[in-house]
Amino acid sequence: AQSVTQLGSHVSVSEGALVLLRCNYSSSVPPYLFWYVQYPNQGLQLLLKYTTGATLVKGINGFEAEFKKSETSFHLTKPSAHMSDAAEYFCAVSRRGTSYGKLTFGQGTILTVHP
Amino acid sequence: DTGVSQDPRHKITKRGQNVTFRCDPISEHNRLYWYRQTLGQGPEFLTYFQNEAQLEKSRLLSDRFSAERPKGSFSTLEIQRTEQGDSAMYLCASSLAGYSNQPQHFGDGTRLSIL
Repeated sequence: AQSVTQLGSHVSVSEGALVLLRCNYSSSVPPYLFWYVQYPNQGLQLLLKYTTGATLVKGINGFEAEFKKSETSFHLTKPSAHMSDAAEYFCAVSRRGTSYGKLTFGQGTILTVHP
Repeated sequence: DTGVSQDPRHKITKRGQNVTFRCDPISEHNRLYWYRQTLGQGPEFLTYFQNEAQLEKSRLLSDRFSAERPKGSFSTLEIQRTEQGDSAMYLCASSLAGYSNQPQHFGDGTRLSIL
């Protein structure tokens, strides 16, 4: 079975500081990897995904993530935080090589950005 | 692309009542997913349709839950004899067919509160 662990349920940064949100997965085969963002009382919006190829992937709003197979990690970063980045972030995986697309999510990390 | 639409956005009901939620996916998407999200947790997979066929159901989906997708368009999720533990956000997502790397697009959810 697949699982996702997000280290740190809350992360607080100052505006302009580096954002680093951690995600580790457990899977017998490297899965497809996704980061989603959720604003209060809204659904989830896809930030970026890794399926194959270049291990550093760029997403929307200046976010990027790097797939590291040896570390089973897919950490999300942004060089400079903006107040509008305050939200909850979810890392998710789906099983590679199947037609099923169900996602397994981590528990989420709430990002707070201080002025 | 009008996005995934869910109705209602909020539902308050008494324990023991039946409730039904509706999801309208993005028109060209033939895959539709239902997830449940409780406070402080990531979404959990409930069930999945490809066109009108329900292909997978989670063990979370007790016999009080039923989902349909007639004609492969909109979907409904019904909960019978609601219980306190059913209080959650119910999220619908849709995607194109293909492998499990297709990104899922989420609606804003239906928040269910059981009195």
